[in-house]
Amino acid sequence: KQEVTQIPAALSVPEGENLVLNCSFTDSAIYNLQWFRQDPGKGLTSLLLIQSSQREQTSGRLNASLDKSSGRSTLYIAASQPGDSATYLCAVPVGSEKLVFGKGTKLTVNP
Amino acid sequence: DAGVTQSPTHLIKTRGQQVTLRCSPKSGHDTVSWYQQALGQGPQFIFQYYEEEERQRGNFPDRFSGHQFPNYSSELNVNALLLGDSALYLCASSSARAGETQYFGPGTRLLVL
Repeated sequence: KQEVTQIPAALSVPEGENLVLNCSFTDSAIYNLQWFRQDPGKGLTSLLLIQSSQREQTSGRLNASLDKSSGRSTLYIAASQPGDSATYLCAVPVGSEKLVFGKGTKLTVNP
Repeated sequence: DAGVTQSPTHLIKTRGQQVTLRCSPKSGHDTVSWYQQALGQGPQFIFQYYEEEERQRGNFPDRFSGHQFPNYSSELNVNALLLGDSALYLCASSSARAGETQYFGPGTRLLVL
């Protein structure tokens, strides 16, 4: 059974800091991993999708890495801004039907 | 392109009542998945619909049922509501042919009193 864990559960940093969010999964037989952003009470916005054949994916100040063999992914946010404050979720597919999510990391960037 | 839309945005019900939530998929998508997200938790898969059939189901009781229409829109029905059914219900759409990722709607916030 695939289980996804995210550490830390919450993170508070001053504006401008670089930070790393962690995601681990128990079954390494995945074909991709996805990072989402969720603002309070809102739906999910896809940030980055890493295919299993890739090791990294970048979008602006965001960089996600994937190490299937160790069952880990990291989301790196450079030069954090108050607008980055949100909950960040990682998810892996199980079959073609469902995504299994972690509980998320709640990020607060203080001005 | 309107993306994935859901209605209503918020809903308040009492225990024992029944509720219907609606979802319209992104243009070009034929597959709809439903997720339940309790406060402080990650979304949990309820079920997925493709070609008007339930394709796979998560660990949810039979009180949760769904339907997909010929235009690919979908409904989620929950009977005999419990306090624990209070959550954000998310709909996601995708294309079975393309095998691409799922796109999520804004969700429906259900409060059961």
